[in-house]
Amino acid sequence: SQQGEEDPQALSIQEGENATMNCSYKTSINNLQWYRQNSGRGLVHLILIRSNEREKHSGRLRVTLDTSKKSSSLLITASRAADTASYFCATDDSSASKIIFGSGTRLSIRP
Amino acid sequence: DVKVTQSSRYLVKRTGEKVFLECVQDMDHENMFWYRQDPGLGLRLIYFSYDVKMKEKGDIPEGYSVSREKKERFSLILESASTNQTSMYLCASVSRGNTEAFFGQGTRLTVV
Repeated sequence: SQQGEEDPQALSIQEGENATMNCSYKTSINNLQWYRQNSGRGLVHLILIRSNEREKHSGRLRVTLDTSKKSSSLLITASRAADTASYFCATDDSSASKIIFGSGTRLSIRP
Repeated sequence: DVKVTQSSRYLVKRTGEKVFLECVQDMDHENMFWYRQDPGLGLRLIYFSYDVKMKEKGDIPEGYSVSREKKERFSLILESASTNQTSMYLCASVSRGNTEAFFGQGTRLTVV
């Protein structure tokens, strides 16, 4: 089955720096989403980018999508301690109703 | 706001027990999903349902079954719990024609 794979698995940066996480997937998609998960909680939707879009912004978030490379990146600018969480990319199966998640990037922001 | 509610945050069950995990959503979503989350493995899809009484296997359905008798409720059943089913279980719902998933708070199940 298709699956997004995030890179890196873990990332630790200083508060105020930018954090970049990458996601690769295997098959054609309709759209790609990024989610955030605070420790021990459910996931919260952050942003969706459609397959015909190349870049999207939402506040301090910037997402890019390269369908030729089957990859996406999530950039969080001016990181804050509250950004500490795990981040997951998710892709839909264009032939079905499934949403498939990757293994996630664990982001830690050092004060 | 969409609300997805899972019946328990923490659950401890014995090996061999039949376990029911309940999920209820209040936004009339057609699609509902059950995932399990384990360290280093991300979220793996167990089962999903796109309508009442309809169900589809995900990537790891073995040892599990589901029930969708009403649109708002999607139940995950562990027929005979085993220790390797100790995990965090996450329920999600999605409106048809949309793809944003709304998650419950998760149920951390421990099988002893």
